[in-house]
Amino acid sequence: AQSVTQLDSHVSVSEGTPVLLRCNYSSSYSPSLFWYVQHPNKGLQLLLKYTSAATLVKGINGFEAEFKKSETSFHLTKPSAHMSDAAEYFCVVSVWQSGYSTLTFGKGTMLLVSP
Amino acid sequence: DTEVTQTPKHLVMGMTNKKSLKCEQHMGHRAMYWYKQKAKKPPELMFVYSYEKLSINESVPSRFSPECPNSSLLNLHLHALQPEDSALYLCASSPGTSGGGFQETQYFGPGTRLLVL
Repeated sequence: AQSVTQLDSHVSVSEGTPVLLRCNYSSSYSPSLFWYVQHPNKGLQLLLKYTSAATLVKGINGFEAEFKKSETSFHLTKPSAHMSDAAEYFCVVSVWQSGYSTLTFGKGTMLLVSP
Repeated sequence: DTEVTQTPKHLVMGMTNKKSLKCEQHMGHRAMYWYKQKAKKPPELMFVYSYEKLSINESVPSRFSPECPNSSLLNLHLHALQPEDSALYLCASSPGTSGGGFQETQYFGPGTRLLVL
């Protein structure tokens, strides 16, 4: 069985300061991990995905995530927050089912960015 | 191109109306999904089509009826909905042929915001 825990429901930062959104996962298999971002009244946009080629994954808009198997974590970071980063972020575990995949979502972390 | 399109963007309907939501992708993906998302919650899976066949129906009420006319199109027919069905309805697609892993990425459309009066 898969599960995802996003440790913070809300994170507040000032513009220009670092961002850390925490995610822990549980997976019976080698995990397929993703981060999606959702801006208000929009669909989900893929931010980055763990490919097993490297433990540090680079995504769009300056975001990165580090896969730590020993800690079962996949935390999302950005060195400097921008106002446009304010959105809901979902950490996701994917399981292959033969012909399709099923996603287990974390509950989401709302990132608030103040000027 | 990783675009999934959905129409309409917004829909208001009465409880006796019949309407349809449409989803389209041209990435050659063979798996397509419908999700329902309530405010401040993650998306909940409703239906999965794989190779135009219904693979998952997550105990969704019969007032929601999915249809997959071909590998690029996915419809969701709505009839006699209730106010609690008001939500953002998201469509997604994935290759369905990759054998899993990071290659089996789901790409989401912008959603249809549905309001049932």
